[in-house]
Amino acid sequence: GAVVSQHPSRVICKSGTSVKIECRSLDFQATTMFWYRQFPKKSLMLMATSNEGSKATYEQGVEKDKFLINHASLTLSTLTVTSAHPEDSSFYICSARVTPGGGYGYTFGSGTRLTVV
Amino acid sequence: GQSLEQPSEVTAVEGAIVQINCTYQTSGFYGLSWYQQHDGGAPTFLSYNGLDGLEETGRFSSFLSRSDSYGYLLLQELQMKDSASYFCAVRDPGGSYIPTFGRGTSLIVHP
Repeated sequence: GAVVSQHPSRVICKSGTSVKIECRSLDFQATTMFWYRQFPKKSLMLMATSNEGSKATYEQGVEKDKFLINHASLTLSTLTVTSAHPEDSSFYICSARVTPGGGYGYTFGSGTRLTVV
Repeated sequence: GQSLEQPSEVTAVEGAIVQINCTYQTSGFYGLSWYQQHDGGAPTFLSYNGLDGLEETGRFSSFLSRSDSYGYLLLQELQMKDSASYFCAVRDPGGSYIPTFGRGTSLIVHP
């Protein structure tokens, strides 16, 4: 089935530094990738939609200068958390739409647990 | 806009049957999906209902009633490993495919 590989799975960084999270579609082309943020025991909050070759579309309240998204190819999308602060600590997950034949669902990366100290 | 409501927590014993309900309000409708997420893991796709009725996949079944804007996930022969969060989700009908997830139901299975 369709697989999205997300790295790193866990990262601890110092406040003020930047962290890059990568998501790769391994056996399909993901023209659109969704980036979510999830707090403990909470739902997935859509942060932005990245489209290959164009600017990402950010949800209301998400700082696009802080959460930089790049979707340079059909198989790779990256999220960079710039100048990270402790309040950015969260679980970040990417997802790509699986076209019909893949269950009308979405396949998710394994998630990245970011801790900013 | 779109919104989904589901219970925050459901508790059951091993071997039992449990039903997780989901009601939704959408400006359009393009199917209801269900996802399972274990603690610390990513959501995994369980099932999809585009039309009214029951879809069965092994121990899991999902039901949809579009006239009632309602669906449920039915888990049979519960196992300890079924303890997880379950999310219902609808997709934006406008073609952007952006999914909206419910808040999730935490299922706790006891021995």
